[in-house]
Amino acid sequence: EVKLEESGGGLVQPGGSMKLSCAASGFTFSDAWMDWVRQSPEKGLEWVAEIRSKANNHATYYAESVKGRFTISRDDSKSSVYLQMNSLRAEDTGIYYCTRPLTGAWFAYWGQGTLVTVSA
Amino acid sequence: DIQMTQSPASLSASVGETVTITCRASENIYSYLAWYQQKQGKSPQLLVYNAKTLAEGVPSRFSGSGSGTQFSLKINSLQPEDFGSYYCQHHYGTPYTFGGGTKLEIK
Repeated sequence: EVKLEESGGGLVQPGGSMKLSCAASGFTFSDAWMDWVRQSPEKGLEWVAEIRSKANNHATYYAESVKGRFTISRDDSKSSVYLQMNSLRAEDTGIYYCTRPLTGAWFAYWGQGTLVTVSA
Repeated sequence: DIQMTQSPASLSASVGETVTITCRASENIYSYLAWYQQKQGKSPQLLVYNAKTLAEGVPSRFSGSGSGTQFSLKINSLQPEDFGSYYCQHHYGTPYTFGGGTKLEIK
């Protein structure tokens, strides 16, 4: 059974930093592409970032809204993916989901989400 | 970026009815479209990918169609568990984008 479990969310001040983690199990993590998707009432569902497998040189991709501020990374030895978020803004507030896309980048598996609130 | 526009934004229907939700892409995405269902307080769940392929375990009353820029999700004989929000998403390369959602409520 595929499981994705996010952690690390909480309250942070504007301009601050936060690191989200996602622990994965139930599949060969090193072969998998992993993504972060967020959701807020204002913007709905928004794709944030993707990191591909070692076979794809761990290539990374970002939404324009987070490029230069967020960094996605992975540790295949721990079956985990991370999202380092810097220079956080109020509009980054939302539930952050760890997702695993399949072959054609449809999101077949989702974690339960972790809430990030950016507020003074 | 490719824009995804869903309609209607909300829909009220009764158990047993058939409903259709549409999604329009701002450019040709061939058949690279997925549909998700989300219940209140839960994570989205994949229903359809490649425009018309049902995900594992999805009931056959759900069906997806379309290609290019126009797509639809049809639900035959609505069941109580079908009520919630539905989202389309293109998977034709990054940045992936989602539609604004359709909230399906019980009449």
